[in-house]
Amino acid sequence: SQQGEEDPQALSIQEGENATMNCSYKTSINNLQWYRQNSGRGLVHLILIRSNEREKHSGRLRVTLDTSKKSSSLLITASRAADTASYFCATDGYDYKLSFGAGTTVTVRA
Amino acid sequence: GAGVSQSPSNKVTEKGKDVELRCDPISGHTALYWYRQSLGQGLEFLIYFQGNSAPDKSGLPSDRFSAERTGGSVSTLTIQRTQQEDSAVYLCASSLESANTGELFFGEGSRLTVL
Repeated sequence: SQQGEEDPQALSIQEGENATMNCSYKTSINNLQWYRQNSGRGLVHLILIRSNEREKHSGRLRVTLDTSKKSSSLLITASRAADTASYFCATDGYDYKLSFGAGTTVTVRA
Repeated sequence: GAGVSQSPSNKVTEKGKDVELRCDPISGHTALYWYRQSLGQGLEFLIYFQGNSAPDKSGLPSDRFSAERTGGSVSTLTIQRTQQEDSAVYLCASSLESANTGELFFGEGSRLTVL
């Protein structure tokens, strides 16, 4: 079953704008990861945030984690056309597997 | 190889036929995962290998699905008597230890179409 649920399902923004998407999950986690998928094929890891961390940055990406609300957000700043993709959050519930949400589809318009 | 390699990249088969999907993980990665992704959906966990053993096969949808991993490296996912609902992209991923400790590296997937 899917642990993480992304919101919104789809997002359309203008190039240069920021994109924010959220992930909610149900059970306690060890870490939460964000992945990007282009063209419905392989996923690429973006960032990992551990349960004892609240915020993490990587380039134009900013991830927050609120374990009390069981939620995370991914912010992409100054978006580019190349950021057009589906974004998934994945949670590790202290076991060996990652559970993925259904994803947020982001379209960046030139 | 440099990344996770999956073959075939595309497979079209007739209902009732058996198919075999192959995954070659990154060298040295002990953990290997199979996921399934239906059109426009998230990833459905199928099975996890730590070395050659699969501690949890509960994600396999039915007894028509089986997987093995030999030599702690290559894995094959076999679907017997394929059904139309098996049509999906099958994704393989490997990790240095397990998802507890770090990221998964995904292959490009095998797109299965059952006619």
